[in-house]
Amino acid sequence: DVKVTQSSRYLVKRTGEKVFLECVQDMDHENMFWYRQDPGLGLRLIYFSYDVKMKEKGDIPEGYSVSREKKERFSLILESASTNQTSMYLCASSGGGTTNEKLFFGSGTQLSVL
Amino acid sequence: EDKVVQSPLSLVVHEGDTVTLNCSYEVTNFRSLLWYKQEKKAPTFLFMLTSSGIEKKSGRLSSILDKKELFSILNITATQTGDSAVYLCAVEPGAGSYQLTFGKGTKLSVIP
Repeated sequence: DVKVTQSSRYLVKRTGEKVFLECVQDMDHENMFWYRQDPGLGLRLIYFSYDVKMKEKGDIPEGYSVSREKKERFSLILESASTNQTSMYLCASSGGGTTNEKLFFGSGTQLSVL
Repeated sequence: EDKVVQSPLSLVVHEGDTVTLNCSYEVTNFRSLLWYKQEKKAPTFLFMLTSSGIEKKSGRLSSILDKKELFSILNITATQTGDSAVYLCAVEPGAGSYQLTFGKGTKLSVIP
């Protein structure tokens, strides 16, 4: 069974802290994505990666960075967390080919920045 | 800029009702339209549509695409409380890009 695992389900951090959100997939997918989801705004793409050590900005990259040192792992970094980064963060992966599901999602990390 | 608009944004129905969720889109290139269901956790895949007029069906759920009018509908018949969720529509652009554009979702609440 395919799996995208996010390291934390809930996270509470203080303003100014450095925050790491980890995502691991076991499907050997080339593509990995970080989205944030807010009420009334839907899913918005923060960053994505098509290959190891490769990253591309999505629609809302400000305040975030990413790291992809290994194919299976894609990390989202908040260098200095702010209250407006309180949100649900969803990681996803895709491998293309003939799969109909396109994106496989993790269970999400609900981040609260106080 | 690619755009996906879902309506209504929220909906409350009684068990047994039939509902229709709408998704319209404007994209530069179109490859497929996808529907996902999101309960408390990860969105889960429902349907992928690529051709106009061909209905996809899974149990009480069905979906169809109109590429001329640029919209899709998701129908749920005989709704149950377990259908309560946010339903997401997303469009995949062409040429091998996996950067989906999502709508804001429709929150469906089914009450007993």
